Amino acid sequence: AQSVTQLGSHVSVSEGALVLLRCNYSSSVPPYLFWYVQYPNQGLQLLLKYTSAATLVKGINGFEAEFKKSETSFHLTKPSAHMSDAAEYFCAVRGGGGADGLTFGKGTHLIIQP
Amino acid sequence: DADVTQTPRNRITKTGKRIMLECSQTKGHDRMYWYRQDPGLGLRLIYYSFDVKDINKGEISDGYSVSRQAQAKFSLSLESAIPNQTALYFCATARDRGTDTQYFGPGTRLTVL
Repeated sequence: AQSVTQLGSHVSVSEGALVLLRCNYSSSVPPYLFWYVQYPNQGLQLLLKYTSAATLVKGINGFEAEFKKSETSFHLTKPSAHMSDAAEYFCAVRGGGGADGLTFGKGTHLIIQP
Repeated sequence: DADVTQTPRNRITKTGKRIMLECSQTKGHDRMYWYRQDPGLGLRLIYYSFDVKDINKGEISDGYSVSRQAQAKFSLSLESAIPNQTALYFCATARDRGTDTQYFGPGTRLTVL
């Protein structure tokens, strides 16, 4: 079975500082990995996804993530945090073995300090 | 106009009541999904459908049923609601499997008293 672990339920950074949200996955097959963002009272929006074309994936709003097979990680980063980045972030892996649907991590709430 | 819509957006009901949550999409996708979100638990898959004739259980299907009335419509039912089904429910669609993106609706907040 596939699983995703997000380290830190809450992460607080200062405006302008580096954002690093951690995600580790467990998968017996090559993983399809995604990062989604959820703003307050809204649905989920795709930030970026790993398609095996490149290990460094660039997404919307200045976010990027690097796939590291040896570390089974797909951490999300942004060089300079903005107040508008405050939201809940979810890492997810797509199903394998005939199953479909996303398996999500528990989420990381990103807090931006002025 | 939103591509994936959910009705109602908010619902308060009582224990034992039957309730239906509806999802419609204009994206023309064959695959549709229902998830529930609980604080601190992320989202978990309830059911998914590859097309109108193909319905599959997800991780937490007990206490729920679904109906795929058409390519564009996928409904989730709680036959006899209980308080621990209080959650935020999301519908999603996708064109294909694998790396294909799932697009989420705005969610339905359900409270069971």
